[in-house]
Amino acid sequence: DQQVKQNSPSLSVQEGRISILNCDYTNSMFDYFLWYKKYPAEGPTFLISISSIKDKNEDGRFTVFLNKSAKHLSLHIVPSQPGDSAVYFCAASAGTSGTYKYIFGTGTRLKVLA
Amino acid sequence: SAVISQKPSRDICQRGTSLTIQCQVDSQVTMMFWYRQQPGQSLTLIATANQGSEATYESGFVIDKFPISRPNLTFSTLTVSNMSPEDSSIYLCSAWTGGNYGYTFGSGTRLTVV
Repeated sequence: DQQVKQNSPSLSVQEGRISILNCDYTNSMFDYFLWYKKYPAEGPTFLISISSIKDKNEDGRFTVFLNKSAKHLSLHIVPSQPGDSAVYFCAASAGTSGTYKYIFGTGTRLKVLA
Repeated sequence: SAVISQKPSRDICQRGTSLTIQCQVDSQVTMMFWYRQQPGQSLTLIATANQGSEATYESGFVIDKFPISRPNLTFSTLTVSNMSPEDSSIYLCSAWTGGNYGYTFGSGTRLTVV
């Protein structure tokens, strides 16, 4: 049972446009969410987080939106740059933000075209 | 955030043999974790390794197959024992650094069992 789903395995976007990566979850107890970016031959690196008490968190070009009623979150990258081409994973956990047990999605491969 | 050095980065092993993967963190961390990413799958937590205690394994993973050591607050090893082709995967170690950084990951070990 996949509790965290990224239904789009890949996405291509033109440089300068917006990239929207989606993530759905099934467990209503999840209350803290992370996005990670992974380049080939490297480990995932933390990108941005959001807790369930917020519906939006912004960090530079990256914004994460959380829709708790729909159990859906999305990552927006504006403007997209070729260096953003990577695999993006969302992850979710239940409990306080200090908990360590995260469930990861299968990832979305983003390709930003120059 | 912490920096994790993981080695080997890749290996090709004969079935029936064992491989030990090492992770060195550049700062002291309480919790370290081992993940597996099979082709096309999400990151799956194998076990949590806290210094001074036995590792805690997730459902489907057992100590005899994946023994873990955590001798101090900066180092951990994962051994994949009696390997079969089904063990071919990427293995990642990580540490919980908390705050805004969540997990920090090593660069991964790509294991191929032939």
